Amino acid sequence: QLQLQESGPGLVKPSETLSLTCTVSGGSISSSSYYWGWIRQPPGKGLEWIGSIYYSGSTYYNPSLKSRVTISVDTSKNQFSLKLSSVTAADTAVYYCACHPTTNDWYFDLWGRGTLVTVSS
Amino acid sequence: QSVLTQPPSASGTPGQRVTISCSGSSSNIGSNTVNWYQQLPGTAPKLLIYSNNQRPSGVPDRFSGSKSGTSASLAISGLQSEDEADYYCAAWDDSLNGHVVFGGGTKLTVL
Repeated sequence: QLQLQESGPGLVKPSETLSLTCTVSGGSISSSSYYWGWIRQPPGKGLEWIGSIYYSGSTYYNPSLKSRVTISVDTSKNQFSLKLSSVTAADTAVYYCACHPTTNDWYFDLWGRGTLVTVSS
Repeated sequence: QSVLTQPPSASGTPGQRVTISCSGSSSNIGSNTVNWYQQLPGTAPKLLIYSNNQRPSGVPDRFSGSKSGTSASLAISGLQSEDEADYYCAAWDDSLNGHVVFGGGTKLTVL
């Protein structure tokens, strides 16, 4: 059964780059059936889509974050990663990795448990 | 401010039927399907309804979704205490080269 697990530092300093990895288990990230994405949720607030990637490397980004975001995939490790540059306190959030089928409906049918990243000096 | 508009709160008593609305525009709900997520306290969101009105395996048929024009609704019948959660609508938005947009979320309280 497909499972997703986020990992990475829980504390990042302002102006630095946030880096997270999502490990896919129970299936292949090279599956043609899925896109792999990141969503975040600031404490006490709603959900915000960050972006998604296909195993081939094709990416889709939230326009509001596009200038600071890079999502990449490592098929050899069955992982995909998120880098968010020039972070501020506003980037403090629980970051979820998730996957969605390659249809036009863009629904996330499997989520990781999430990891809290705090931006603070 | 979220692109999709939801009421911040809703409530009902056990056994009641409640609905949660989600309002958008022609670039999102008006031209794409709507998905709903349930987030129980302290947990990751879970897909509840996809493609406007489809339930994933394991989701009780007490949950149903509908869409009309640029608005969508989630209905929960036979309300149960375990339904107390935050509910989010989401859709693809065709503007700005396309992106996923979420509603601000509705906190459902079972009285």
